[in-house]
Amino acid sequence: LAKTTQPISMDSYEGQEVNITCSHNNIATNDYITWYQQFPSQGPRFIIQGYKTKVTNEVASLFIPADRKSSTLSLPRVSLSDTAVYYCLVVSGKLIFGQGTTLQVKP
Amino acid sequence: EAGVVQSPRYKIIEKKQPVAFWCNPISGHNTLYWYRQNLGQGPELLIRYENEEAVDDSQLPKDRFSAERLKGVDSTLKIQPAELGDSAVYLCASSSYLQGNSQNSPLHFGNGTRLTVT
Repeated sequence: LAKTTQPISMDSYEGQEVNITCSHNNIATNDYITWYQQFPSQGPRFIIQGYKTKVTNEVASLFIPADRKSSTLSLPRVSLSDTAVYYCLVVSGKLIFGQGTTLQVKP
Repeated sequence: EAGVVQSPRYKIIEKKQPVAFWCNPISGHNTLYWYRQNLGQGPELLIRYENEEAVDDSQLPKDRFSAERLKGVDSTLKIQPAELGDSAVYLCASSSYLQGNSQNSPLHFGNGTRLTVT
């Protein structure tokens, strides 16, 4: 099973770009990389998913290098409302959530 | 589109009592998941259904937990009897098949049921 490693916590300020990197050294050929966001008292919410190179949507960008052993979630110009826990998942048979990265955005 | 609906939102019971959680997935979603989330931890998969079939229940504590998904739509998760350590948030999620591989379909979560066992 592909295991992911990401920082436990990060701090940022409003208006800054935030990059959260996830390591997944054992990713398999057919695995996708998916990121979720979770606010207190809510279920996780899908943010973005990718297989290789770069994926962008209205919320975030996902950068995946050629070896796919890591990925970086990029949140442009964060606001206070982006304070949440962010989970990186490698979809490999089981959908396993790690501990996630708690992002704290300060004014 | 309506999201995943879970009830109740909160439940407080005494240990050794039974409890049940209900989930209504997004219409048309064939795959349904039950997760348990302890405070400060990521969600832990308990069981996954594809239609009415439980295709992965390896993490479900079968001595006290049971689940069903009749007709491949709504699902119920039951604990009997509950223990103090079962206090957690129980999350339901659903997804639809994408390119023939449901594992790559994004999950849509409900807001969970917060269970407190006293």
